[in-house]
Amino acid sequence: EVQLVESGGDLVQPGGSLRLSCAASGFTFSSSWMDWVRQAPGKGLEWVANIKPDGSERSYVDSVKGRFTVSRDNAKNSVYLQMNSLRVEDTAVYYCSRSLNAWGQGTTVTVSS
Amino acid sequence: IQMTQSPSSLTASVGDRVTITCRASHDISTYLSWFQQKPGKAPKSLIYDASSLQSGVPSRFSGSGSGTDFTLTISSLQPEDFAVYYCLQYNSYPRTFGQGTKVEI
Repeated sequence: EVQLVESGGDLVQPGGSLRLSCAASGFTFSSSWMDWVRQAPGKGLEWVANIKPDGSERSYVDSVKGRFTVSRDNAKNSVYLQMNSLRVEDTAVYYCSRSLNAWGQGTTVTVSS
Repeated sequence: IQMTQSPSSLTASVGDRVTITCRASHDISTYLSWFQQKPGKAPKSLIYDASSLQSGVPSRFSGSGSGTDFTLTISSLQPEDFAVYYCLQYNSYPRTFGQGTKVEI
């Protein structure tokens, strides 16, 4: 069974940093594209970033380019989202996903002073 | 690529046939997925490649379309189908979702 478990969400002040983690199991992680998707309170889904199986390619939505970095450790079956220079508008539930067809339960990031 | 869903919400009864449409601002071939999301839960994948049913998804769900116009159909609405539905294009970056369609009783 595919399992994705996110962690690292927290309350952080504007301008702060946070690192989200996603632990994967139940599938061949090292062969899978991994995505991050977020959902602001009461809003729709927004794709944030993804990373190729070997980590050689990464893509981002324009609103996070230069601030967020997606990475992975295939030895630990984990994917990460380093979030810097956080803004109020980054407040959301962040979901980790395997190729957008299996999803974790999400972790909540709140950016507020 | 902008994805526009319609309607934004609909009211239906158990047993009804429900159709949700998604229009892409550019040709995306069949690189389209549909998701279902219930309150407080993660999205669940229903359809990929426009018309392929994810494993374990009931056959009352079906998808069709190519290019710019796509449809999700629920042939006979069940109580557990009341939720928000999203389309997603993965033809190009950034991936983009439709704004969602809320299916209510």
